[in-house]
Amino acid sequence: ETGVTQTPRHLVMGMTNKKSLKCEQHLGHNAMYWYKQSAKKPLELMFVYSLEERVENNSVPSRFSPECPNSSHLFLHLHTLQPEDSALYLCASSQDLGVAGELFFGEGSRLTVL
Amino acid sequence: AQTVTQSQPEMSVQEAETVTLSCTYDTSESDYYLFWYKQPPSRQMILVIRQEAYKQQNATENRFSVNFQKAAKSFSLKISDSQLGDAAMYFCAWAGYSTLTFGKGTMLLVSP
Repeated sequence: ETGVTQTPRHLVMGMTNKKSLKCEQHLGHNAMYWYKQSAKKPLELMFVYSLEERVENNSVPSRFSPECPNSSHLFLHLHTLQPEDSALYLCASSQDLGVAGELFFGEGSRLTVL
Repeated sequence: AQTVTQSQPEMSVQEAETVTLSCTYDTSESDYYLFWYKQPPSRQMILVIRQEAYKQQNATENRFSVNFQKAAKSFSLKISDSQLGDAAMYFCAWAGYSTLTFGKGTMLLVSP
C-alpha cells in the first residue's frame, strides 16, 4: 500500500460538472498539499494544510475548493472548471509544515475538462 | 522571487553510462535546501537526493550524486551506471524558509 493514495486516477468532466478529488495519506503526517502539474511548466502549489488548517492559498480560482476534514484526508472540490484547468493534480504530505522535510507524493489525478 | 531553471528539457543516456542533469537557481537567501525529485511515467514522484546549503560536502545516494556550487547557484545531478529504471522526469527544487519552488523538469531517456 502506497503512503499517499489519490482517487480517481483519471477524471473527465464537463465545464458545468461538480466533482471531487480525494487524497489519503497513511504516514501519520501533519501537513498536506495540493499541486497542479501542467506540461512544460513547474509544479504549482495550490493549497497547504497543517493539522487540518489551511495555511496557504496561492491565488487559486474559487472554482477549486479544498477541504481537509482530518490530518489523513484532503479533498479538492471542482466546479465550473475551464479547459485550461486540465492537468495532473498531485497530493503530497510531509511530517510537518516546513520546507526542509521530504514531500511524499501520490500518483496524481489526471483531470480533463471538456 | 526564487526561480529554478532546468535548461535541458530532455536528456538521453545509454545503460551503464553516466549522465548529468543541470539545475541553476536564483535566491538572495543564505540558508536553504535543494532537492532532486524523480517522477517515473504514471508513478509517484519520489525524493532522490537532498542537499543542505550550509554543507559544503556534496550529497550522495548510491549511484546518485550532486555537484553543489553555492557561489554559482548551481546544483547538478549525476547518475552513474544508468539503468532502465532511471528513465523518468527529474525535477530540481529549491526550498527556503517557507517556499518550495520546482523547476520545469528534465525528461531522462535510457536506452539499452
